[in-house]
Order: sequence, then structure tokens, then C-alpha cells
Amino acid sequence: QQQVKQSPQSLIVQKGGISIINCAYENTAFDYFPWYQQFPGKGPALLIAIRPDVSEKKEGRFTISFNKSAKQFSLHIMDSQPGDSATYFCAASKETSGSRLTFGEGTQLTVNP
Amino acid sequence: GAGVSQSPRYKVAKRGQDVALRCDPISGHVSLFWYQQALGQGPEFLTYFQNEAQLDKSGLPSDRFFAERPEGSVSTLKIQRTQQEDSAVYLCASSFRERLTEAFFGQGTRLTVV
Repeated sequence: QQQVKQSPQSLIVQKGGISIINCAYENTAFDYFPWYQQFPGKGPALLIAIRPDVSEKKEGRFTISFNKSAKQFSLHIMDSQPGDSATYFCAASKETSGSRLTFGEGTQLTVNP
Repeated sequence: GAGVSQSPRYKVAKRGQDVALRCDPISGHVSLFWYQQALGQGPEFLTYFQNEAQLDKSGLPSDRFFAERPEGSVSTLKIQRTQQEDSAVYLCASSFRERLTEAFFGQGTRLTVV
């Protein structure tokens, strides 16, 4: 059962553009929603995370938008740079469950110079 | 150490061979997780330790997979009688508190079963 669905599978954006990646979840018990960035040969690194008591969180060029009623959340990367080219994963967990993360399938982002 | 360290980085095993993958978490981190990442996929949960106690092993795909963390720091993931479908990157992550805060991932061990 795929509890977190992510789209698109791949995304190509021009330098300076906005990258948008979307995720939808099924389990309403999820209460922690992080985004991870992964470069080839490296482990995932936490970018930004949100909890369902807020609808938006911004850190630098990265913003999470969260829609609890629709069970959807998205990552927006403003002013995308070639160095942002990586695979991005959304994830979800129930903090009270010992923190196992359920990941989406990933989005391969390419930012062209 | 500065981060989560995993060894070896790469492992090639013949089908049927046993392998052991090591994870050194960040010092003082209570929680330790193992994930399996197939090529082109997101990581999938395998097992979770809080100190030396294995609190959740529901993600282990078969009884050929075994994990331990005997002293609450270093952990070993052992796979017995490896099969081709075990080929994947095995990721270890640790976090400071018993519940999820920020999970720091290691670089992973890429296991190839031939």
C-alpha cells in the first residue's frame, strides 16, 4: 500500500524558475511531513519539515504548503539553481509511533543553467 | 563523529552468502533506523531501535534479515543467504530524541548480489 504518493517523477526547470513537487497521503494519523534532498551516492538530507497545525512554512528559498483537508502537501523551490539538481523525497510519519518515515517515490529535479 | 557513518560503502555478495552491514550513529543519538532503498525508489523502513531495544522490526522483509544494537550505539544489519532481490542501498539514520526530530542519514551501503 503506497501511503504517500509523489509527483511528478521528474522535473526540468530553468535557472531562476520555480520548482513545485506535490505529495498526497492517505493516513490521517500522520503528523509530521518532512522533505528530503538526495544527491547521487549520498544519503537523504532533511530540507524542511512541517506539522499539520500550520498551512505554510518557509525557509530561505524552500516553502512547504500544507492542505490538511485535501491530505496534500507540496514543496516550492523559488529561484531554482543548478545546484538544486537532485532527487527530492516527501515523507510522513506519526511522531508517537517511533518515527518511522514513509517516503514518496521521489522526484528527480534538473535545473538547467 | 560528525555524522552517521556506514561501512562498507559497497558490498558485492554471491547469492547465498551472508553479509553484515555496519552503522555508527551520531554520538548520543538515542534512535536508530534502517531503511532499504531500491534503485529509483524512496527509502523503505526496515527496523527501529531506541537505545539497545529493537522496538519495531515490522519492515524486515524476511527472517533472513536481522538487526542488532547490543550496546545502544553501533548497529549491524545482517542478511543471511542473500538473494538477488536484496540488492539495494541500505541506509542508516539516527536522531537525538526518542521521538522523531531530525533524522540524520548515512551515505548508505550499496549491496549488489550476483
